[in-house]
Amino acid sequence: DTEVTQTPKHLVMGMTNKKSLKCEQHMGHRAMYWYKQKAKKPPELMFVYSYEKLSINESVPSRFSPECPNSSLLNLHLHALQPEDSALYLCASSQDRGGVGNNQPQHFGDGTRLSIL
Amino acid sequence: GNSVTQMEGPVTLSEEAFLTINCTYTATGYPSLFWYVQYPGEGLQLLLKATKADDKGSNKGFEATYRKETTSFHLEKGSVQVSDSAVYFCALSSGGSQGNLIFGKGTKLSVKP
Repeated sequence: DTEVTQTPKHLVMGMTNKKSLKCEQHMGHRAMYWYKQKAKKPPELMFVYSYEKLSINESVPSRFSPECPNSSLLNLHLHALQPEDSALYLCASSQDRGGVGNNQPQHFGDGTRLSIL
Repeated sequence: GNSVTQMEGPVTLSEEAFLTINCTYTATGYPSLFWYVQYPGEGLQLLLKATKADDKGSNKGFEATYRKETTSFHLEKGSVQVSDSAVYFCALSSGGSQGNLIFGKGTKLSVKP
């Protein structure tokens, strides 16, 4: 069983809809991540939160809006998505990020499979 | 910049065969190295890790040794099972102010009974 919980597991939405993806972890991790994974590709980093503050935004379009309400929760708000945004969205967490010799593994959830009609 | 190169798949093996998936990396400093596994319809699971040269990570019969002289972290298993069928990702953590994972392209393994 994964210790990072993502909901919903599947989401189908139209291009004009607004929806949110949710991620929760109770491991006391202070870094949380959103990734996008297309079929047969590795995950691509979208956002990094460290101590509830956004620290990395990998040039993600503004139709994706992350939010970290507290140290256990991470949301991804979606609005006006395009068909090419259909993918598996993965959340991950780690004890911390950065630092010399960073050896903190990231723990992933099972993802939300998003389909844009 | 930092990068990870792993062997192209797919790899198809018979049950109980020996598995090697090659992974080499390019990095400045002293990265940590990881193998993740992704079963169909699931997220990524950490399979094993190594944080310094000559470290050997192991889990569920899989092993990988951090070889700084050859900048490699090859994944091996002596006897694969059908349940090992999955996609395997080699990754490095660059440390510093980023702490991001850099993934290889993934290798799909299919094990036939």
